[in-house]
Amino acid sequence: QSALTQPASVSGSPGQSITISCTGSDNDVETYRLVSWYQRRPGSAPQLLIYEVNKRPSGVSDRFSGSKSGNTASLTISGLQGDDEAEYYCSSYAGNGIFKVFGGGTKLTVL
Amino acid sequence: QVQLQESGPGLVKPSQTLSLTCTVSGESISIGGYYWSWIRQRPGKGLEWIGYIYYSGNTYYNPSLKSRLTISVDTSKNEFSLNLTSVTAADTALYYCAKDRAGGEVTHWGQGTLVTVSS
Repeated sequence: QSALTQPASVSGSPGQSITISCTGSDNDVETYRLVSWYQRRPGSAPQLLIYEVNKRPSGVSDRFSGSKSGNTASLTISGLQGDDEAEYYCSSYAGNGIFKVFGGGTKLTVL
Repeated sequence: QVQLQESGPGLVKPSQTLSLTCTVSGESISIGGYYWSWIRQRPGKGLEWIGYIYYSGNTYYNPSLKSRLTISVDTSKNEFSLNLTSVTAADTALYYCAKDRAGGEVTHWGQGTLVTVSS
């Protein structure tokens, strides 16, 4: 299984907010503020949404936000829209010689 | 805007070597501060970091693949490559190349290339 644990799926209605969790360990999420989140639409390359826990790259909507508490990071999407339907992956620096670990991905369905 | 494009065979026989190349455009691969990564996704699984390389040639590999893995860079062609030896069906995956702030986020990804290991 993946080093970071994400729910396999989440869903929400347009306009609602949803949160995707990403649970790691003291080797990664708990120790380092180097958590990032990616969106991957079908047939497209992943896109960076959040880096360093809660920073957004230029061009990413402020409807996407990130946070972290202990060994769990979270991605919140507010004001859900139809084109938010995608897979979302978290990642973290890992200090045990692996350097970078990912979650298994969460499929978001907009109802 | 940097763009990355993977290329290589889509089918590799078991026990042979999987070789992929990533061509970088829009930016010099010799830019400082970033590494150049390979990441894969096996069917039904999450993303898996394979390893990355700096333009100087310094490499960092996933320990689980290290014994079979070589990542190299050709700055004159602005490309970097992946060689994975002794492949099995478990190496069947969608392989991505990417620009990586080592230790941090992956800023840009290629479209990915599907490699199937089968006789």
